[in-house]
Amino acid sequence: NAGVTQTPKFQVLKTGQSMTLQCAQDMNHEYMSWYRQDPGMGLRLIHYSVGAGITDQGEVPNGYNVSRSTTEDFPLRLLSAAPSQTSVYFCASSPGMSGGLGTQYFGPGTRLLVL
Amino acid sequence: AQSVAQPEDQVNVAEGNPLTVKCTYSVSGNPYLFWYVQYPNRGLQFLLKYITGDNLVKGSYGFEAEFNKSQTSFHLKKPSALVSDSALYFCAVRDGDNAGNMLTFGGGTRLMVKP
Repeated sequence: NAGVTQTPKFQVLKTGQSMTLQCAQDMNHEYMSWYRQDPGMGLRLIHYSVGAGITDQGEVPNGYNVSRSTTEDFPLRLLSAAPSQTSVYFCASSPGMSGGLGTQYFGPGTRLLVL
Repeated sequence: AQSVAQPEDQVNVAEGNPLTVKCTYSVSGNPYLFWYVQYPNRGLQFLLKYITGDNLVKGSYGFEAEFNKSQTSFHLKKPSALVSDSALYFCAVRDGDNAGNMLTFGGGTRLMVKP
């Protein structure tokens, strides 16, 4: 049981490039989400999904797209990278349509640097 | 809207002394409250949560937290700090009356335990 996995661990992009951050979980959790972590700002929700085929926007969705074709996978796409998207990105999952009373399991993170 | 405040960026404590990490919250419905810990270069790990019941909640690694409804606080405590407790701690809240509601995190408090 690997839990929540994220790839890559670290990525450098040039402004305007696109890329996909991968997230997978093997716990059969319905709820998955993407956060970005910036110093002093805690974690801010980008997008989330309450089940396969269902996604919704969080607090800071601009510049990001998501899809949820399977229960296991929840990729995050940066359409045209900007320096403001330099951050650490965390994927999380939890059981249940209502987020399993909020207890989430986090991946190890992807550190992204946009030049 | 819901929010979390962690008023201290950093808390310093000597090993063996009691520690407190402060958290206050604002939510319109029933508060579901959480503490997570983040060690360097790792994802967040769940410590404890308050949903209902006793105001004193016990969690992992000897941590506990006290829910105070009148003061809208959920402070994290430990009777005797260890050097290994040094990490970044996040408080989070969600509105328990809204099944679709997401977690909102505070900005984090860095705990430094000195030998």
